[in-house]
Amino acid sequence: DTAVSQTPKYLVTQMGNDKSIKCEQNLGHDTMYWYKQDSKKFLKIMFSYNNKELIINETVPNRFSPKSPDKAHLNLHINSLELGDSAVYFCASSHQAELQETQYFGPGTRLLVL
Amino acid sequence: AQSVTQLDSHVSVSEGTPVLLRCNYSSSYSPSLFWYVQHPNKGLQLLLKYTSAATLVKGINGFEAEFKKSETSFHLTKPSAHMSDAAEYFCVVDNQGGKLIFGQGTELSVKP
Repeated sequence: DTAVSQTPKYLVTQMGNDKSIKCEQNLGHDTMYWYKQDSKKFLKIMFSYNNKELIINETVPNRFSPKSPDKAHLNLHINSLELGDSAVYFCASSHQAELQETQYFGPGTRLLVL
Repeated sequence: AQSVTQLDSHVSVSEGTPVLLRCNYSSSYSPSLFWYVQHPNKGLQLLLKYTSAATLVKGINGFEAEFKKSETSFHLTKPSAHMSDAAEYFCVVDNQGGKLIFGQGTELSVKP
Protein backbone atom coordinates (compact mmCIF):
# COMPACT_ATOMS: atom_id res chain seq x y z
CA ASP A 1 0.00 0.00 0.00
CA THR A 2 3.01 2.29 0.29
CA ALA A 3 2.46 5.22 -2.03
CA VAL A 4 6.08 6.35 -2.46
CA SER A 5 8.78 3.90 -1.49
CA GLN A 6 12.54 4.22 -1.41
CA THR A 7 15.33 1.69 -1.10
CA PRO A 8 17.50 1.40 0.78
CA LYS A 9 16.35 3.12 3.94
CA TYR A 10 19.92 3.42 5.23
CA LEU A 11 23.13 3.50 3.23
CA VAL A 12 26.60 3.65 4.75
CA THR A 13 29.49 3.72 2.33
CA GLN A 14 33.06 4.84 1.83
CA MET A 15 34.16 8.03 0.14
CA GLY A 16 34.78 7.52 -3.58
CA ASN A 17 32.21 4.76 -4.03
CA ASP A 18 29.28 4.83 -6.45
CA LYS A 19 25.81 4.16 -5.10
CA SER A 20 22.20 4.22 -6.23
CA ILE A 21 18.96 4.98 -4.45
CA LYS A 22 15.71 3.70 -5.91
CA CYS A 23 12.29 5.30 -5.78
CA GLU A 24 8.95 3.95 -6.86
CA GLN A 25 5.45 5.43 -6.67
CA ASN A 26 2.19 3.56 -7.16
CA LEU A 27 -0.04 6.64 -7.27
CA GLY A 28 -0.16 6.89 -11.03
CA HIS A 29 1.54 10.29 -10.89
CA ASP A 30 3.35 11.81 -13.84
CA THR A 31 5.94 13.81 -11.92
CA MET A 32 8.65 12.69 -9.52
CA TYR A 33 11.26 14.60 -7.54
CA TRP A 34 14.43 14.19 -5.51
CA TYR A 35 15.11 16.39 -2.49
CA LYS A 36 18.15 16.56 -0.22
CA GLN A 37 17.82 17.27 3.51
CA ASP A 38 21.05 18.35 5.15
CA SER A 39 22.18 17.95 8.75
CA LYS A 40 20.32 21.13 9.73
CA LYS A 41 17.12 19.62 8.31
CA PHE A 42 17.03 22.09 5.42
CA LEU A 43 15.29 20.61 2.37
CA LYS A 44 16.17 21.56 -1.17
CA ILE A 45 14.98 20.21 -4.47
CA MET A 46 17.54 18.52 -6.69
CA PHE A 47 15.68 17.15 -9.71
CA SER A 48 12.24 16.70 -11.13
CA TYR A 49 11.02 14.46 -13.93
CA ASN A 50 7.69 14.63 -15.72
CA ASN A 51 6.80 11.57 -17.78
CA LYS A 52 10.44 10.50 -17.82
CA GLU A 53 11.59 13.93 -18.98
CA LEU A 54 13.87 16.10 -16.85
CA ILE A 55 12.14 19.39 -16.01
CA ILE A 56 14.00 20.68 -12.95
CA ASN A 57 17.73 20.41 -12.53
CA GLU A 58 19.07 22.52 -9.70
CA THR A 59 22.73 23.34 -9.28
CA VAL A 60 23.66 19.82 -8.32
CA PRO A 61 27.13 18.36 -9.04
CA ASN A 62 27.12 16.21 -12.14
CA ARG A 63 28.19 13.29 -9.96
CA PHE A 64 24.45 13.04 -9.29
CA SER A 65 22.52 11.50 -12.17
CA PRO A 66 18.81 10.76 -12.00
CA LYS A 67 17.37 8.03 -14.16
CA SER A 68 13.70 7.48 -14.91
CA PRO A 69 13.11 4.11 -16.63
CA ASP A 70 9.36 4.73 -16.54
CA LYS A 71 7.09 7.31 -14.94
CA ALA A 72 6.63 5.19 -11.79
CA HIS A 73 10.36 5.10 -11.02
CA LEU A 74 13.00 7.73 -10.46
CA ASN A 75 16.39 6.47 -9.34
CA LEU A 76 19.31 8.54 -8.13
CA HIS A 77 22.84 7.45 -8.94
CA ILE A 78 25.75 9.12 -7.20
CA ASN A 79 29.33 8.74 -8.44
CA SER A 80 32.50 9.30 -6.44
CA LEU A 81 30.73 9.91 -3.16
CA GLU A 82 32.05 12.71 -0.95
CA LEU A 83 31.68 13.38 2.75
CA GLY A 84 29.38 16.31 2.00
CA ASP A 85 26.92 14.00 0.27
CA SER A 86 25.91 12.64 3.68
CA ALA A 87 22.26 13.62 4.05
CA VAL A 88 18.74 12.30 3.89
CA TYR A 89 17.42 12.00 0.35
CA PHE A 90 13.68 12.16 -0.20
CA CYS A 91 11.80 11.10 -3.26
CA ALA A 92 8.39 12.63 -3.95
CA SER A 93 5.70 12.49 -6.59
CA SER A 94 2.75 14.58 -7.73
CA HIS A 95 0.04 14.29 -10.33
CA GLN A 96 1.57 17.06 -12.42
CA ALA A 97 4.35 19.60 -12.07
CA GLU A 98 1.98 22.49 -11.54
CA LEU A 99 1.06 25.00 -8.91
CA GLN A 100 -1.18 23.70 -6.13
CA GLU A 101 -0.27 20.08 -6.73
CA THR A 102 0.39 18.16 -3.55
CA GLN A 103 3.67 16.31 -3.46
CA TYR A 104 3.76 12.98 -1.65
CA PHE A 105 7.03 12.07 -0.04
CA GLY A 106 8.78 8.79 0.50
CA PRO A 107 10.27 7.78 3.87
CA GLY A 108 13.75 8.96 2.96
CA THR A 109 17.14 7.32 2.48
CA ARG A 110 19.73 8.17 5.09
CA LEU A 111 23.14 8.26 3.40
CA LEU A 112 26.31 8.36 5.45
CA VAL A 113 29.63 8.70 3.64
CA LEU A 114 32.67 7.76 5.70
CA ALA B 1 11.38 34.94 -6.21
CA GLN B 2 9.37 32.92 -3.75
CA SER B 3 10.60 32.30 -0.22
CA VAL B 4 9.34 31.38 3.22
CA THR B 5 10.65 32.28 6.64
CA GLN B 6 9.76 30.33 9.72
CA LEU B 7 10.16 32.71 12.59
CA ASP B 8 10.95 30.16 15.30
CA SER B 9 13.44 27.35 15.04
CA HIS B 10 12.04 25.72 18.17
CA VAL B 11 8.70 25.97 19.98
CA SER B 12 7.92 24.26 23.26
CA VAL B 13 4.40 23.89 24.64
CA SER B 14 2.69 21.89 27.34
CA GLU B 15 0.25 19.16 26.43
CA GLY B 16 -3.26 20.56 26.13
CA THR B 17 -2.14 24.14 25.42
CA PRO B 18 -2.42 25.91 22.04
CA VAL B 19 0.22 25.63 19.35
CA LEU B 20 1.33 28.52 17.12
CA LEU B 21 4.02 28.01 14.48
CA ARG B 22 4.77 31.16 12.52
CA CYS B 23 5.51 31.46 8.83
CA ASN B 24 5.93 34.47 6.56
CA TYR B 25 6.16 34.17 2.83
CA SER B 26 7.36 36.24 -0.08
CA SER B 27 5.86 35.74 -3.51
CA SER B 28 5.52 37.72 -6.68
CA TYR B 29 2.16 36.11 -7.43
CA SER B 30 -0.66 34.46 -5.53
CA PRO B 31 1.13 31.58 -3.88
CA SER B 32 0.27 28.03 -3.02
CA LEU B 33 1.35 27.39 0.55
CA PHE B 34 1.72 24.15 2.45
CA TRP B 35 2.57 22.87 5.89
CA TYR B 36 4.35 19.54 6.10
CA VAL B 37 5.24 17.60 9.25
CA GLN B 38 8.21 15.31 9.73
CA HIS B 39 8.26 12.98 12.70
CA PRO B 40 11.66 11.72 13.88
CA ASN B 41 13.31 9.49 11.28
CA LYS B 42 10.22 9.59 9.11
CA GLY B 43 9.24 11.10 5.78
CA LEU B 44 7.21 14.25 5.25
CA GLN B 45 3.46 14.26 5.57
CA LEU B 46 1.17 16.97 4.25
CA LEU B 47 -0.79 18.70 7.02
CA LEU B 48 -2.68 21.19 4.89
CA LYS B 49 -2.42 23.44 1.85
CA TYR B 50 -3.70 26.83 0.74
CA THR B 51 -4.68 27.26 -2.88
CA SER B 52 -6.70 30.51 -2.79
CA ALA B 53 -10.07 28.82 -2.26
CA ALA B 54 -10.46 29.83 1.39
CA THR B 55 -8.16 31.80 3.65
CA LEU B 56 -8.71 29.52 6.65
CA VAL B 57 -7.48 26.06 5.84
CA LYS B 58 -8.21 23.03 7.97
CA GLY B 59 -5.79 20.15 7.95
CA ILE B 60 -5.30 16.80 9.55
CA ASN B 61 -4.94 16.12 13.27
CA GLY B 62 -6.74 19.31 14.28
CA PHE B 63 -4.29 21.72 12.67
CA GLU B 64 -5.34 24.75 10.71
CA ALA B 65 -3.66 27.73 9.10
CA GLU B 66 -4.86 31.14 8.03
CA PHE B 67 -3.61 32.90 4.92
CA LYS B 68 -3.25 36.63 5.55
CA LYS B 69 -2.21 38.47 2.43
CA SER B 70 -1.86 41.82 4.19
CA GLU B 71 0.64 40.30 6.62
CA THR B 72 2.15 37.82 4.12
CA SER B 73 1.70 35.17 6.79
CA PHE B 74 0.51 31.58 6.93
CA HIS B 75 0.74 30.62 10.59
CA LEU B 76 -0.10 27.11 11.74
CA THR B 77 -2.25 26.63 14.83
CA LYS B 78 -3.82 23.92 16.91
CA PRO B 79 -6.06 24.55 19.91
CA SER B 80 -4.68 21.78 22.10
CA ALA B 81 -1.30 20.10 21.72
CA HIS B 82 -0.89 16.37 22.01
CA MET B 83 2.31 14.51 22.80
CA SER B 84 2.17 12.93 19.34
CA ASP B 85 2.43 16.40 17.76
CA ALA B 86 6.11 16.61 18.69
CA ALA B 87 7.89 16.80 15.33
CA GLU B 88 9.54 19.11 12.82
CA TYR B 89 7.17 21.36 10.88
CA PHE B 90 7.93 22.91 7.50
CA CYS B 91 6.19 25.83 5.86
CA VAL B 92 6.47 25.53 2.09
CA VAL B 93 5.71 27.75 -0.89
CA ASP B 94 5.21 26.39 -4.37
CA ASN B 95 7.31 27.98 -7.08
CA GLN B 96 6.16 27.54 -10.63
CA GLY B 97 6.60 24.11 -12.11
CA GLY B 98 6.23 22.19 -8.88
CA LYS B 99 9.44 23.39 -7.31
CA LEU B 100 8.77 23.52 -3.56
CA ILE B 101 10.67 26.06 -1.50
CA PHE B 102 10.99 24.95 2.13
CA GLY B 103 11.33 27.05 5.23
CA GLN B 104 14.03 26.28 7.74
CA GLY B 105 11.71 24.18 9.88
CA THR B 106 10.31 24.59 13.40
CA GLU B 107 10.86 21.88 15.94
CA LEU B 108 7.82 21.48 18.17
CA SER B 109 8.33 19.97 21.61
CA VAL B 110 5.36 18.98 23.76
CA LYS B 111 5.84 18.65 27.49
CA PRO B 112 3.61 16.41 29.58
